[in-house]
Amino acid sequence: NAGVTQTPKFRVLKTGQSMTLLCAQDMNHEYMYWYRQDPGMGLRLIHYSVGEGTTAKGEVPDGYNVSRLKKQNFLLGLESAAPSQTSVYFCASSGDLNTEAFFGQGTRLTVV
Amino acid sequence: GENVEQHPSTLSVQEGDSAVIKCTYSDSASNYFPWYKQELGKGPQLIIDIRSNVGEKKDQRIAVTLNKTAKHFSLHITETQPEDSAVYFCAAIPSGGYQKVTFGTGTKLQVIP
Repeated sequence: NAGVTQTPKFRVLKTGQSMTLLCAQDMNHEYMYWYRQDPGMGLRLIHYSVGEGTTAKGEVPDGYNVSRLKKQNFLLGLESAAPSQTSVYFCASSGDLNTEAFFGQGTRLTVV
Repeated sequence: GENVEQHPSTLSVQEGDSAVIKCTYSDSASNYFPWYKQELGKGPQLIIDIRSNVGEKKDQRIAVTLNKTAKHFSLHITETQPEDSAVYFCAAIPSGGYQKVTFGTGTKLQVIP
């Protein structure tokens, strides 16, 4: 079972460049999330989606945009990367509000 | 908003000993408390969870206890093994689900053979 798959696993960007992180889940989950993980901090929610065609802001949404055109995919975009966006990004999905969330393997992004 | 404090930040134990990680939360509306294990280079994986209507839950060598009055919950790992070495995260979630989740800052557990 693939579960939650993130693409790419590693990326180095120059300040000002743009990129899109792709998250795909094969569990038919309604809810999908993007988090960032920084040293010494817990995971923080960037954006989330409660179903196909919906998106909403999380705790730290500035500098990011998302889209959920298909139920199985949740895309995270950086329009103009900044060094402060250097982080490890995790996508997750869950079938219901208060049930287990399944995480992808992460994308390590460095902005220089 | 919710605030989750997790202690200790690092923990070293001898193989076979027990490990305990503690988390406190501030929002009494939190009612779901999962624990995640994150191995190096991988995403977090749920290892056990507990809901606010239960005081304790056990799954083989892993157990979680919840004290709603004191607003704290703990992860207990008995008979630790080298493969238990990882970073463990607690989380507190209200009825709004994972879009309202607050994660702890993590505990790096090292099991020494």
